[in-house]
Amino acid sequence: GENVEQHPSTLSVQEGDSAVIKCTYSDSASNYFPWYKQELGKGPQLIIDIRSNVGEKKDQRIAVTLNKTAKHFSLHITETQPEDSAVYFCAARMTTDSWGKLQFGAGTQVVVTP
Amino acid sequence: NAGVTQTPKFRVLKTGQSMTLLCAQDMNHEYMYWYRQDPGMGLRLIHYSVGEGTTAKGEVPDGYNVSRLKKQNFLLGLESAAPSQTSVYFCASSYPTGISNQPQHFGDGTRLSIL
Repeated sequence: GENVEQHPSTLSVQEGDSAVIKCTYSDSASNYFPWYKQELGKGPQLIIDIRSNVGEKKDQRIAVTLNKTAKHFSLHITETQPEDSAVYFCAARMTTDSWGKLQFGAGTQVVVTP
Repeated sequence: NAGVTQTPKFRVLKTGQSMTLLCAQDMNHEYMYWYRQDPGMGLRLIHYSVGEGTTAKGEVPDGYNVSRLKKQNFLLGLESAAPSQTSVYFCASSYPTGISNQPQHFGDGTRLSIL
């Protein structure tokens, strides 16, 4: 099965700086990679996703890059703001999985200090 | 539009008690999932359903049962609660993935403590 590793587990950044979270996956059959943001007391919310036929995707201050050869993908947040403080999860889904199951990383606690 | 609604939001049980967690979605999604979230372990899939009347085991199914009698509802049951089941439980739903990857939409969770 798929295994997803996420680093770092905690990340502290100054407001305005960039934050980068990295994930690696084990199964080369994975083809869909979403990122979720979880605020305190809430459920995970999808913030961006990328498919295996795309190398990079941007949405305003967030971007995701995918390296299929190395089997890793990263989340980049630029010009961080206090409201970016949350737990971020990466996930991967295998092509061979017809039921949409996701394998999640362990999460990264991001703290943006003013 | 409510999305995915979980009830209750909080619950404290004694070891050996039983309870049912309810998940309801109003997006007409075929697929529904139950996860548990524990510190440092991300989200782990307990059970899932790909349609009314169908259920399947996920990564950590032991000690839990599920039912999907109606398309919009997915129930998670604990027959005899154990302290190891203390966790935050999340329900999610999505359209069928097929060739077009569909994201999962999550509820806000049920925080369950077993004493």
